[in-house]
Amino acid sequence: GENVEQHPSTLSVQEGDSAVIKCTYSDSASNYFPWYKQELGKRPQLIIDIRSNVGEKKDQRIAVTLNKTAKHFSLHITETQPEDSAVYFCAALYNTDKLIFGTGTRLQVFP
Amino acid sequence: AAGVIQSPRHLIKEKRETATLKCYPIPRHDTVYWYQQGPGQDPQFLISFYEKMQSDKGSIPDRFSAQQFSDYHSELNMSSLELGDSALYFCASSALNTEAFFGQGTRLTVV
Repeated sequence: GENVEQHPSTLSVQEGDSAVIKCTYSDSASNYFPWYKQELGKRPQLIIDIRSNVGEKKDQRIAVTLNKTAKHFSLHITETQPEDSAVYFCAALYNTDKLIFGTGTRLQVFP
Repeated sequence: AAGVIQSPRHLIKEKRETATLKCYPIPRHDTVYWYQQGPGQDPQFLISFYEKMQSDKGSIPDRFSAQQFSDYHSELNMSSLELGDSALYFCASSALNTEAFFGQGTRLTVV
């Protein structure tokens, strides 16, 4: 069935360090992979996404890489700041209308 | 810019009562998703609609039903409420095969 695995579940880094979150998906037909940031008590907010026709996408301090062969994709945050602290969810789009989320990574950035 | 509107924002119901949650998608978005997010959990896909037809179904209990109307707004009806139904319910909308934007959610508390 549709499944998205996400690791690690918690991640603590020092301000200025990099953070990497990894996800794997089960359906090779998936072609759209968004990442959401969710602050406490708020809705998930899209921060970056990637489609299957590209291997990497960057937006300032955030980058996402996709390996279709291995069916995994990763979020990279460089020069982390305290305001990056949140829960991050990866997701994969199945059948064009079912977005399945990973179980989330709680990122804490310590000053 | 217009966002996804959910109402109500908060709802308190007693066990065995019925609740109706509403979602108004971003204009020109034709796909609506419903998610249930328990405390500390990832959003669980419930159901989606594309062009007013149910397009996919996830872990939605039989006590729940949903529909999308001609103006593309959607309603999630929940009957015979149980304590375990207490959660944040998010609606998201998208155009076909594009990023999903989430509403602010409805916090349902069943007492």
